[in-house]
Amino acid sequence: AQSVAQPEDQVNVAEGNPLTVKCTYSVSGNPYLFWYVQYPNRGLQFLLKYITGDNLVKGSYGFEAEFNKSQTSFHLKKPSALVSDSALYFCAVRGAYNFNKFYFGSGTKLNVKP
Amino acid sequence: DAGITQSPRHKVTETGTPVTLRCHQTENHRYMYWYRQDPGHGLRLIHYSYGVKDTDKGEVSDGYSVSRSKTEDFLLTLESATSSQTSVYFCAISSGTESSYEQYFGPGTRLTVT
Repeated sequence: AQSVAQPEDQVNVAEGNPLTVKCTYSVSGNPYLFWYVQYPNRGLQFLLKYITGDNLVKGSYGFEAEFNKSQTSFHLKKPSALVSDSALYFCAVRGAYNFNKFYFGSGTKLNVKP
Repeated sequence: DAGITQSPRHKVTETGTPVTLRCHQTENHRYMYWYRQDPGHGLRLIHYSYGVKDTDKGEVSDGYSVSRSKTEDFLLTLESATSSQTSVYFCAISSGTESSYEQYFGPGTRLTVT
């Protein structure tokens, strides 16, 4: 089976500080991993993905994510948080047997305070 | 949300009535998906389509049916709506190519079943 866990329902960080949103995954074979962001009353927007290659993946809006195979993690990071980064963040993994199914975590609400 | 529209955006209906939600894309993507979003559950896949008239079930397909008669349209039908189907429904599309598995989401439909 494949699954994604986001252990924190909410993350609070001060503007200008680095932020990390955690994600761990469980999937057979090589993982295809994704991060999405959702602003209030909007659909999800694609941020970045890991398929293969460098363990540090760069994405939109200054976000990056670090793939760690031994820890089965794919944490989202940003060196300096902005108030406008406040949103709901979802991690997702592609299915191991059906490559066009995706499994989402429960989401982490990021609050960036001025 | 560019290239994907959902209709209606909001709907209130009574228990036992049929409801159809529409997703329309202008990207000519092969794959289309219906998810529901509920607090604490993230996004859960209801059904997806991998081509015209080709559909498959997701994790929470009971009580839902889908149809795809044209590449651009993917319909989700609740045959007899129940209060447990009160949710926000998102449509997503994906080209499904090796370099582009990420999904792009519509703006969502908020459905309330009373």
